[in-house]
Amino acid sequence: DAEITQSPRHKITETGRQVTLACHQTWNHNNMFWYRQDLGHGLRLLHYSYGVQDTNKGEVSDGYSVSRSNTEDLPLTLESAASSQTSVYFCASRAGNTGELFFGEGSRLTVL
Amino acid sequence: DQQVKQNSPSLSVQEGRISILNCDYTNSMFDYFLWYKKYPAEGPTFLISISSIKDKNEDGRFTVFLNKSAKHLSLHIVPSQPGDSAVYFCAASGNTDKLIFGTGTRLQVFP
Repeated sequence: DAEITQSPRHKITETGRQVTLACHQTWNHNNMFWYRQDLGHGLRLLHYSYGVQDTNKGEVSDGYSVSRSNTEDLPLTLESAASSQTSVYFCASRAGNTGELFFGEGSRLTVL
Repeated sequence: DQQVKQNSPSLSVQEGRISILNCDYTNSMFDYFLWYKKYPAEGPTFLISISSIKDKNEDGRFTVFLNKSAKHLSLHIVPSQPGDSAVYFCAASGNTDKLIFGTGTRLQVFP
């Protein structure tokens, strides 16, 4: 079955370190998204991509970057992790420009 | 500025009764609305959606109502079951096609 997977599922890092969260989908979806989930804020959009070599900033993009070198993967990089980036991160994908998103199981990141 | 608001952080309902989850939005350009359900340690899963050309959409025990003039939508679950206990997010999109999510409502269905 096609799916969307995130890794690692859990990570602990130190302030100032670079961290990359992986997202891989096998549906051949063009659209991919990264959200973070925090209590009281719901799901907030970080970055998104509509296809290879396309990336766009979302609501809260500062401190994060993404790259899209192929259809299947959209890695999320934190260049210099901060304690405020402790959160649960969700990757999602969608076939077209409308309709439902399919989410991965999430990556819990703790920045000490 | 929160464009999609879920003002009730939590809701507790007895099994068999109706659960009503509410969502308000501020952007009149939103024309497509979705509800997602999330269990702990899992990703959100799609539940039901509604287009702005409708005011009601039903799928089994789940019904979503849309009141465009009030910029309000609600999710009704009848009858509620213990397995419905989860966090529910409403989401909206418009001409920008990005989904904007609310803050979520934690539903607990007790026996």
